[in-house]
Amino acid sequence: DVKVTQSSRYLVKRTGEKVFLECVQDMDHENMFWYRQDPGLGLRLIYFSYDVKMKEKGDIPEGYSVSREKKERFSLILESASTNQTSMYLCASSFGDRGRDTQYFGPGTRLTVL
Amino acid sequence: AQTVTQSQPEMSVQEAETVTLSCTYDTSESDYYLFWYKQPPSRQMILVIRQEAYKQQNATENRFSVNFQKAAKSFSLKISDSQLGDAAMYFCAYRTPGGGADGLTFGKGTHLIIQP
Repeated sequence: DVKVTQSSRYLVKRTGEKVFLECVQDMDHENMFWYRQDPGLGLRLIYFSYDVKMKEKGDIPEGYSVSREKKERFSLILESASTNQTSMYLCASSFGDRGRDTQYFGPGTRLTVL
Repeated sequence: AQTVTQSQPEMSVQEAETVTLSCTYDTSESDYYLFWYKQPPSRQMILVIRQEAYKQQNATENRFSVNFQKAAKSFSLKISDSQLGDAAMYFCAYRTPGGGADGLTFGKGTHLIIQP
């Protein structure tokens, strides 16, 4: 089974802090994604990566950055957390055939910024 | 830009009955993929079913089936013999192949309640 793990299920941070959300997948997938989920808005794509050290902006990249130093790990970084970044963050991964392949999701990290 | 619309924020069904969740999408592409994902209260998003646009046959996975109407850009999910474990948020999603590892475009979700 594909396994996507995220470093924390719940996280509480203060405004202005630098926040790291980690995601690891164990299936040698090329593609990795970070989504944000908010009630009534569904999931929105923040960033994605199709290879090590490669990254592309999604629909809502403002206030976020990412890092992919190893194929299995994709980090989401909030340089200076703000209260409007309180949300559920979901990581996903998929194999190389773009579009065709199923995305597998992690359990999510519920981030609260005070 | 592609959009996905789920017009039912919440649906309720009696256990053992059949329920249909609606999804429409807007695209100018002819080749794409459609998905239904389930997110139970534990929050792990799970793929329920997928459909390739070039296939006319509707996808089926056990009690889950889709009604894919390409011309109408409609992709509804039918759950037969509803079970308590089907209670979850259901998200319809769209994706085009090629051109990079673009993410999925999601609808806003339908909250499915199963009445015992």
